[in-house]
This record gives sequence, structure tokens and C-alpha cells, in this order.
Amino acid sequence: QSALTQPASVSGSPGQSITISCTGTNSDIGGYKYVSWYQQVPGKAPKLIIYDVSNRPSGVSGRFSGSKSGDTASLTISGLQTEDEADYYCSSYTASSTLYLFGSGTKVTVL
Amino acid sequence: EVQLLQSGTEVRKPGESLRISCQVSGFSFTSEWIGWVRQAPGRGLEWVGVIYPGDSDTKYSQSFEGHVTISADTSLSTAFLQWSSVEASDTAIYFCARQAVRFSQTTTSYQPVEIDSWGQGTLVTVSS
Repeated sequence: QSALTQPASVSGSPGQSITISCTGTNSDIGGYKYVSWYQQVPGKAPKLIIYDVSNRPSGVSGRFSGSKSGDTASLTISGLQTEDEADYYCSSYTASSTLYLFGSGTKVTVL
Repeated sequence: EVQLLQSGTEVRKPGESLRISCQVSGFSFTSEWIGWVRQAPGRGLEWVGVIYPGDSDTKYSQSFEGHVTISADTSLSTAFLQWSSVEASDTAIYFCARQAVRFSQTTTSYQPVEIDSWGQGTLVTVSS
């Protein structure tokens, strides 16, 4: 099964809000509440920032929020900061034989 | 503190065998699922599979099943990812990770969900 679909890049100015979409099917995002989001700075391991669609792990900034509508999940970063420059990946459990899918990844640039 | 410490960089020729490791600390190795994720150069993340060291129950992505083997040694608190014959396309960084897995009573299936802790990654290069 192919990766979940994300835009290749999103950019914004400091202080702005940006939203990254993640589109799947009813076999993954649309069928379950198990969407997660990860932040990966180049050369580092990914970091969990959202799980179960909209929950933030302890220590993650409240500027990150998640939501889902149908087969599409979204990550919003509000009050964009230069430290938010990174790659962002969505993920979901899938009923297919792949079992766990990542998105194609989105590079966030702070202008 | 939860830690996953992976073995170092590996270089192999096509057809050679390879095993990389992930030693965990800071949580009960036999009570959590440990997964593996691949990231090819300049590419995104791909889920390889997951193991429950408590009973060695293992789940694989169909894309990797038959090509890699995931195992664990509870006496060492260490998980392993191994190949009997590597290929150039196996060149990537491999991350181990602690992954939550939910059990659905409705479908009687295991559902891998969020990954909350990651190792630092092991670079594997396969080249003739």
C-alpha cells in the first residue's frame, strides 16, 4: 500500500499558522482514530508530537494541534517559530497487510 | 529515562548477512512492543515490523516480510533486525522504536499505533 499523501512543502512567516494535510482511505485514517504526527529534524530521529488524532504527549508545545475529517487528517502549527523548521510525517494504523503507514512527509520552512 | 541504543554503522556487499541491534533501558523490555522503521537516503519513513519480546510475537509489513527477521533477547534487553542476504536497496538508516500496539476485540487483530520513543538510528550501506 502506498504512503499517506502529504504536500511536499509548506511555508510560513514567524508567528503565522500553517496546516499540513494527510490524506488516506477508509482503511486507515478514515476508519480509525489512530493518527499520529512526527517531527524530524534532518539527521535526527523523529519525535512524536500528536497521537490518537489530537492528543499531545507531555512536553510537546500547545502550538501543535491535530484533527481529522473523513479520510484526511491535519496538523496545525500556530505561532510558527524558526525552531519548527523540520520534516513532518503523519501515520496511521491500516487494515491492509502493511499494518502501519507513514505519510510521504512535508518539509516546513519558516520564511 | 527511556533509552534505545542502537549498534553502529554497517557496510556490507550484496548477498552478505547482517544483524543490527537495539538495547533498551528505562522500561520493561518484556512488556512493550519494539518496532523497526526504515528511512532510505533522502526518503520518507517506512514501517518494517514490530516484536513483543515477552512472547516473541512478531508482526511485519507485507513489504518486508520474508526479507528481514525481527527477534529479541530478553536476557540482554535487546531487539535485533537481521538479513540473510542484503541488497543494494536495503541501504538506509534503520530506527528502532517503542511502539504502542492496541488489540481490537472486534476484529481480534493487533493494531500498531503511535511510536513514543526512538533510537538514534543505524546506517546500513550495501554496495559492491
